[in-house]
Amino acid sequence: AQKITQTQPGMFVQEKEAVTLDCTYDTSDPSYGLFWYKQPSSGEMIFLIYQGSYDQQNATEGRYSLNFQKARKSANLVISASQLGDSAMYFCAMREVQGGAGNMLTFGGGTRLMVKP
Amino acid sequence: NAGVTQTPKFRILKIGQSMTLQCTQDMNHNYMYWYRQDPGMGLKLIYYSVGAGITDKGEVPNGYNVSRSTTEDFPLRLELAAPSQTSVYFCASTPLAGNEQFFGPGTRLTVL
Repeated sequence: AQKITQTQPGMFVQEKEAVTLDCTYDTSDPSYGLFWYKQPSSGEMIFLIYQGSYDQQNATEGRYSLNFQKARKSANLVISASQLGDSAMYFCAMREVQGGAGNMLTFGGGTRLMVKP
Repeated sequence: NAGVTQTPKFRILKIGQSMTLQCTQDMNHNYMYWYRQDPGMGLKLIYYSVGAGITDKGEVPNGYNVSRSTTEDFPLRLELAAPSQTSVYFCASTPLAGNEQFFGPGTRLTVL
């Protein structure tokens, strides 16, 4: 079974609007972390935001927030006030503390976000 | 700090050739990783290391080898290159107590 599922291969959003990128995960580990990375067309991986499984509040970093619904096993990324520079691939990833040795990350297939002017 | 550096940036290999992808980090991180990213896909773990002298297989290790003789360096060796190894290879590192995984810029490898 897929550990990380991103069901939106591609999405469009109008500039200055908010957008939600979906991510669901599957783990039996009680302690885990969820990450979002941005990959622009230049190819580098840019860390955006992190949510720990025991964190009580949703993580926020500037225009990025993570809508963490633990019971539903979802960790959606919300980007507010989209900018043209937000056009990129976005990857959700999970680190399992017990099952995943060495802090390794398991990645989803990604969502390509395109911001329209 | 330079962070995580990878060389080369691009490489074309012929089937059956071998090469080593270099990865160095100057942040004194314990954990280092090699991932591959096929076109339009997410990253898959090839090998990882939790410290100098310790390495282990990830999800897709076949056709690759690694070594970790120092904390800083984690080279990835391809023996007998095959077209299926055409991919972008990312090296990454994480401190012992930390959340963010720091990625290098990637190496784009084509095997013809």
